[in-house]
Amino acid sequence: DQQVKQNSPSLSVQEGRISILNCDYTNSMFDYFLWYKKYPAEGPTFLISISSIKDKNEDGRFTVFLNKSAKHLSLHIVPSQPGDSAVYFCAASAHWAGGTSYGKLTFGQGTILTVHP
Amino acid sequence: DTGVSQNPRHKITKRGQNVTFRCDPISEHNRLYWYRQTLGQGPEFLTYFQNEAQLEKSRLLSDRFSAERPKGSFSTLEIQRTEQGDSAMYLCASSQGIGARTEAFFGQGTRLTVV
Repeated sequence: DQQVKQNSPSLSVQEGRISILNCDYTNSMFDYFLWYKKYPAEGPTFLISISSIKDKNEDGRFTVFLNKSAKHLSLHIVPSQPGDSAVYFCAASAHWAGGTSYGKLTFGQGTILTVHP
Repeated sequence: DTGVSQNPRHKITKRGQNVTFRCDPISEHNRLYWYRQTLGQGPEFLTYFQNEAQLEKSRLLSDRFSAERPKGSFSTLEIQRTEQGDSAMYLCASSQGIGARTEAFFGQGTRLTVV
């Protein structure tokens, strides 16, 4: 049961243009969403996050949008740079009152972003 | 302290052998997680510690897997009687907080190859 899905295995973009990475989730208990970037032979690096009480969060060139009714989020990178080429993972966590799942992340399969000079 | 540290970076072992990995989290972080990542997939949750207490274990964590975090500092993940299906990248992450809305910081991982 894939609770977080990234349906595009890869994305190719020209330098300077916008990159849009998409993510869908099925678990309505998820209330915190994160994007991680991963280079080969390294661990994932945190990029940006958004709480379910917001619909947009911006940090420099990176903006994450959340559509709760559609259970969909997206990461926009503007302008894209060759150094952004990496695997991008969407992740989600659920606030479980009284439970022990705080901070446990459920990841999507990842999208390989290639930014061409 | 520059981040989460994992050792070794790479481990090749023969099927049936035991292996142990170590993770040193960011020093002030009270939470520690282990994940496993196979080719073409995202990381999958294995287990979670809050300080020294192991509070959750995934069903992916068979009886051959055991994790500890003595004194709430570093953690070890041991795999007994390794199988070829155990070949994967094992990732450790840590975070600070008491709620769900906190980002986890990952180490560089230990790549295990079982031959």
